Amino acid sequence: AQSVTQLDSHVSVSEGTPVLLRCNYSSSYSPSLFWYVQHPNKGLQLLLKYTSAATLVKGINGFEAEFKKSETSFHLTKPSAHMSDAAEYFCVVTMNRDDKIIFGKGTRLHILP
Amino acid sequence: DGGITQSPKYLFRKEGQNVTLSCEQNLNHDAMYWYRQDPGQGLRLIYYSQIVNDFQKGDIAEGYSVSREKKESFPLTVTSAQKNPTAFYLCASSTLAGVPISNEQFFGPGTRLTVL
Repeated sequence: AQSVTQLDSHVSVSEGTPVLLRCNYSSSYSPSLFWYVQHPNKGLQLLLKYTSAATLVKGINGFEAEFKKSETSFHLTKPSAHMSDAAEYFCVVTMNRDDKIIFGKGTRLHILP
Repeated sequence: DGGITQSPKYLFRKEGQNVTLSCEQNLNHDAMYWYRQDPGQGLRLIYYSQIVNDFQKGDIAEGYSVSREKKESFPLTVTSAQKNPTAFYLCASSTLAGVPISNEQFFGPGTRLTVL
């Protein structure tokens, strides 16, 4: 069965410092993995996705994530946080179009001035 | 512009009333989804549809109903049987084409429903 765990419900970093949002998954087969961002009272926007191509995936707004099969992880990183990065981030896993799409419970990122 | 629209943005309802949330997409996507979002619980799937005139229950379908009469439209009705309907509702769509299937979803801006 598929599952996804976001290890932190809240993360706080200072502006200009690195961001790390952690995501672990379990999947019986090769998964597709996604990170979405949600600003308050808005819909979700895709940041990046992994679909069995390069393991290091670059997304929008300077974010990237690395698929590590041995660790079943897909952590999201950014070298330098910006105030506009404050939002909630969701890690998502799916196997194929007939399976459910599983959302993590979200990590709220706070940026300190 | 291509995208997904949801209306209204805010909706208030009295207890015991049914209410319908609109979701329209012009992306020519086959699949459409309804999610409910509550604080600290992430997104939970209510219903989804992969083709016109067909839909499937998600994890929390009780108290909700949907229809898919047109490819571009997937309205959600919150019935009086839904015991705790106050929440943020998100509609999404995705294509079912491509190899491998990536299932990237495109989301609408959401409707916040408050039951008074």
